[in-house]
Amino acid sequence: NAGVTQTPKFRILKIGQSMTLQCTQDMNHNYMYWYRQDPGMGLKLIYYSVGAGITDKGEVPNGYNVSRSTTEDFPLRLELAAPSQTSVYFCASGEEVTGELFFGEGSRLTVL
Amino acid sequence: GNSVTQMEGPVTLSEEAFLTINCTYTATGYPSLFWYVQYPGEGLQLLLKATKADDKGSNKGFEATYRKETTSFHLEKGSVQVSDSAVYFCALSVNNAGNMLTFGGGTRLMVKP
Repeated sequence: NAGVTQTPKFRILKIGQSMTLQCTQDMNHNYMYWYRQDPGMGLKLIYYSVGAGITDKGEVPNGYNVSRSTTEDFPLRLELAAPSQTSVYFCASGEEVTGELFFGEGSRLTVL
Repeated sequence: GNSVTQMEGPVTLSEEAFLTINCTYTATGYPSLFWYVQYPGEGLQLLLKATKADDKGSNKGFEATYRKETTSFHLEKGSVQVSDSAVYFCALSVNNAGNMLTFGGGTRLMVKP
């Protein structure tokens, strides 16, 4: 019963460093999403994908990139980390019919 | 655009008290409405949903009714338990490619024994 798995759970980066947040799901969902959660601000959509090979920008895509080479995996890339990217990142996958999203446990990123 | 507004927390209640968390929305079109819950150290999980006006979603003793006339989807529970302590998020989805959700800011509930 893995569901949506994110790694790493915690990471500290220096300004200008790069990293990739990994996300994989085993529910064969076509839809996958990356959200960031800032304190008191709810969740904001960074990027989403409606299927392998298809990605699109959400509300706050600047500073991030994604790829979707398989149904299962949806990694999020930060190329030049900035303090404004300090946040908790959630990956989610979803069913087309019900609209329900299934979330990973989150990745807490700090940029110093 | 679409937006969701929730009452700010934290909300602190004693066990067995009545809970209401207010949620109002603005949306283009006819949204589906959701409540998600986030327990400490975990990701969000769906609590309940309603897809059209006057629908009532319910789960684990929680209820919310989709009120189109007041653009609201308030969460209620008659008797809260310590185990209900969590952060609650109201969200909406308008018919769009990808079923994207727009979330409110979240409301932290703390239930004391």
